[in-house]
Amino acid sequence: ETGVTQSPTHLIKTRGQQVTLRCSSQSGHNTVSWYQQALGQGPQFIFQYYREEENGRGNFPPRFSGLQFPNYSSELNVNALELDDSALYLCASSPPGQGNEQYFGPGTRLTVT
Amino acid sequence: KQEVTQIPAALSVPEGENLVLNCSFTDSAIYNLQWFRQDPGKGLTSLLLIQSSQREQTSGRLNASLDKSSGRSTLYIAASQPGDSATYLCAVGVGNQFYFGTGTSLTVIP
Repeated sequence: ETGVTQSPTHLIKTRGQQVTLRCSSQSGHNTVSWYQQALGQGPQFIFQYYREEENGRGNFPPRFSGLQFPNYSSELNVNALELDDSALYLCASSPPGQGNEQYFGPGTRLTVT
Repeated sequence: KQEVTQIPAALSVPEGENLVLNCSFTDSAIYNLQWFRQDPGKGLTSLLLIQSSQREQTSGRLNASLDKSSGRSTLYIAASQPGDSATYLCAVGVGNQFYFGTGTSLTVIP
């Protein structure tokens, strides 16, 4: 069984640019959540997608947006990148009816210069 | 807003020692609590999930307890090994999201 995968592994962007990060959920998982983890901090919840709809959002501005596709994979888009957006971006998927247990991918390291 | 605190921030123990990591949260109206392990620069590996109706969960050398009324959870690691060296994060599930602590960095010295 393939776990949660994310691409790319690393990314360097310039302030003001836009970026798209991708996540493939674990087989059978229909819920995807995205987190931002700054260095030395715990992950911060960005948003969750369930059945292709946003299903909860943390304290992040609208320039953070997402999509979920019919195969439950997901994208995180960030517009107008700022230096503080530099972080590890983690995707987690959850199976239906499993008490919301989350399974995390390896993350995408984004550096904004 | 749910606040999650983990103490200590860092811990160093000799191999073979039993140890306890602590997690506290401010709002007892939680759905579940999950403990994770994170190696440097890597994603999170799930260790144990405790539902709000449960008091503890065990997996191998790991035992996690949950006391909702006092807003506390502990992760007990028995007979620690150098391979246990990592950052341990607790996450409290409220509705659709998890609130994370900042973690305890554990070093097990051979």
